[in-house]
Amino acid sequence: GENVEQHPSTLSVQEGDSAVIKCTYSDSASNYFPWYKQELGKRPQLIIDIRSNVGEKKDQRIAVTLNKTAKHFSLHITETQPEDSAVYFCAVKGTGGSYIPTFGRGTSLIVHP
Amino acid sequence: EADIYQTPRYLVIGTGKKITLECSQTMGHDKMYWYQQDPGMELHLIHYSYGVNSTEKGDLSSESTVSRIRTEHFPLTLESARPSHTSQYLCASSVASLLNEQFFGPGTRLTVL
Repeated sequence: GENVEQHPSTLSVQEGDSAVIKCTYSDSASNYFPWYKQELGKRPQLIIDIRSNVGEKKDQRIAVTLNKTAKHFSLHITETQPEDSAVYFCAVKGTGGSYIPTFGRGTSLIVHP
Repeated sequence: EADIYQTPRYLVIGTGKKITLECSQTMGHDKMYWYQQDPGMELHLIHYSYGVNSTEKGDLSSESTVSRIRTEHFPLTLESARPSHTSQYLCASSVASLLNEQFFGPGTRLTVL
């Protein structure tokens, strides 16, 4: 089955700095890569996603890049703010035609004011 | 408003009790899922369903059961709760597409004494 590695597990930055979270996957047939944000006590919610025919996608301060050859994708957050503090999960979907996503273990991002 | 609803939101019960966690969605989604998550930690898939009368076990061994008699309803039952079942349970749903995200419910925080 698919194997997804997410790093780092914890990331601490100062407000205004950039944050980068990286995920690697094993199955080259995977074709959908969402990122979810889970604030404390809340449900995970999609913040950005990318499909395998695209190399980069941006939405205001958030961007995702995909390197299909190397089988990794990254979440980039610029000008971080305290409200960006949350746990971020990457996911990989589409392996073998399965609807079941494989999630990374999560990254706890702490933005210090 | 289209959403996923879970009840109860919090539950404290004694060991050996039978409980059912309710999940309903008004999003018209075919696919539904149950995840177990300790706060801020990994998401573990315990059950999923591709449609009415379809249920499958996930990656995490679980002593729970599910049913899918109606498209919008996907309850999870624990026949005999144990302290090791203490966790958060998240219900999710998605459309029948490999290239779309999951939507999560608010979760049920279960404590077994």
